[in-house]
Amino acid sequence: EIVLTQSPATLSLSPGESATLSCRASQSISTYLAWYQQKPGQAPRLLIYDASHRATGIPARFSGSGSGTDFTLTISSLEPEDFAVYYCQQRSIWPPLTFGGGTEVEIK
Amino acid sequence: EVQLVESGGGLVKPGGSLRLSCGASKFTLRTYFIHWVRQAPGKGLEWVSSISSSSTYIYYADSVQGRFTISRDNAKNSLYLQMNSLRAEDTAVYYCASEGDSYGPYYFQYWGQGSLVTVSS
Repeated sequence: EIVLTQSPATLSLSPGESATLSCRASQSISTYLAWYQQKPGQAPRLLIYDASHRATGIPARFSGSGSGTDFTLTISSLEPEDFAVYYCQQRSIWPPLTFGGGTEVEIK
Repeated sequence: EVQLVESGGGLVKPGGSLRLSCGASKFTLRTYFIHWVRQAPGKGLEWVSSISSSSTYIYYADSVQGRFTISRDNAKNSLYLQMNSLRAEDTAVYYCASEGDSYGPYYFQYWGQGSLVTVSS
C-alpha cells in the first residue's frame, strides 16, 4: 500500500501570502498524484491531476509540482476562499487508492 | 451540470445493515469506474470500494472487505453499496465519486454531496 504523508498538518497564513503544501509517497508513484480542496460541509473538489495539471476552472494561482515521491501544491497568493483542507491522492498502485491525511490552510 | 446524488444513509445499530444508492444526472456512469469514499467525523478521506464499468473488477478496502458489497446498474445509471455487520467505526459521510473523460482514470472528478451513516446503539 502506498502511504501518502502530508505536511504540515496546519498552515496558518494571511490572505495574500503564499502557501506551500507537501505530500510525500512511501514509494515512487511517478506523477500519478492529484490534489483536492475540501471546504466544511462540502465534497472535495479536484484541483490538480497528474501532479501538475490544473483541472478545468481552477485558478492559475494553484500549481502542482513533483514526481517520484515528493510533491508540492503551491497557492501563490491566498484568496479568502482558499482557506480549506487540501488532500493529495495517488492512483499509481492500487488497490487501495490512498489519500494523504490532509493539510488545513487556516487564516492567521 | 453533472450531479451525483447519494441516498440511503441514516442511523443503524451495530451489527445492522444499510444500503446506499448513488444516482447521476447529466452524466452517464456506465463507461467509468465509480467509487465510494468515506469521511469519518473530523477525519480525512478514506477510499472504500471501486467497481469497473462492466462490474468485472471490484475492489474493497481491507477495513470493509467481507462486509460491504458494491454493485451498479448501468441501465439505471446507478451505484450501490450494501453495508452489513456495521460497526461504530463505519460512522462517516459516504461519497460516491466518479472519474470522467478529462483527467484520466482513478481520479475523482465528480462527487456526490455525501450521505451520513451513523452506527450507534
